[in-house]
Amino acid sequence: SQQGEEDPQALSIQEGENATMNCSYKTSINNLQWYRQNSGRGLVHLILIRSNEREKHSGRLRVTLDTSKKSSSLLITASRAADTASYFCATEGLGGTYKYIFGTGTRLKVLA
Amino acid sequence: EPEVTQTPSHQVTQMGQEVILRCVPISNHLYFYWYRQILGQKVEFLVSFYNNEISEKSEIFDDQFSVERPDGSNFTLKIRSTKLEDSAMYFCASSEDMGRINYGYTFGSGTRLTVV
Repeated sequence: SQQGEEDPQALSIQEGENATMNCSYKTSINNLQWYRQNSGRGLVHLILIRSNEREKHSGRLRVTLDTSKKSSSLLITASRAADTASYFCATEGLGGTYKYIFGTGTRLKVLA
Repeated sequence: EPEVTQTPSHQVTQMGQEVILRCVPISNHLYFYWYRQILGQKVEFLVSFYNNEISEKSEIFDDQFSVERPDGSNFTLKIRSTKLEDSAMYFCASSEDMGRINYGYTFGSGTRLTVV
């Protein structure tokens, strides 16, 4: 399966520190997305990175993609308490699959 | 900013009853999706829909499930005879393209379905 697995499963840091979350997947992809989910709420799209891209930035977010290792990382710099949420990667397989496979998520807690 | 709207936000139903979950995708989006998330578990793909037909469905999306776009704005998920294990948060999403190019999905805030 194309399942994404994030690690760590849970991460607790102090405000101001950087948070790094990793995602690994099993099969080749077209692109990979990162989503954020506050407890019991909907999913918010953060960044989409295509398979021919290696790094993307958006504000305090930096995403890398290593297709040779089938892995991606999400870095949140200068974290804030409001960044507390679960973060998921989602991958789209090759060949126009019309679906994304979500990983298991990393629960990030930023302590004020 | 455009939103995907889902109603109701929470629905409680008796086992065996039919439920319809409603979604209003973003108006210029062409691709529509349903995902679900059982409490504490990962988000699972159910179905994608384009040009008034199902593009792809998962093994979860069995004969008890159906989707419809009854008019130009709504996109519905029907569960014909609910089971306890259908209890989950159901997310609707839409995208301008297949997500392959640039934009990803816009998700609604979800409907929490509780089957008792």
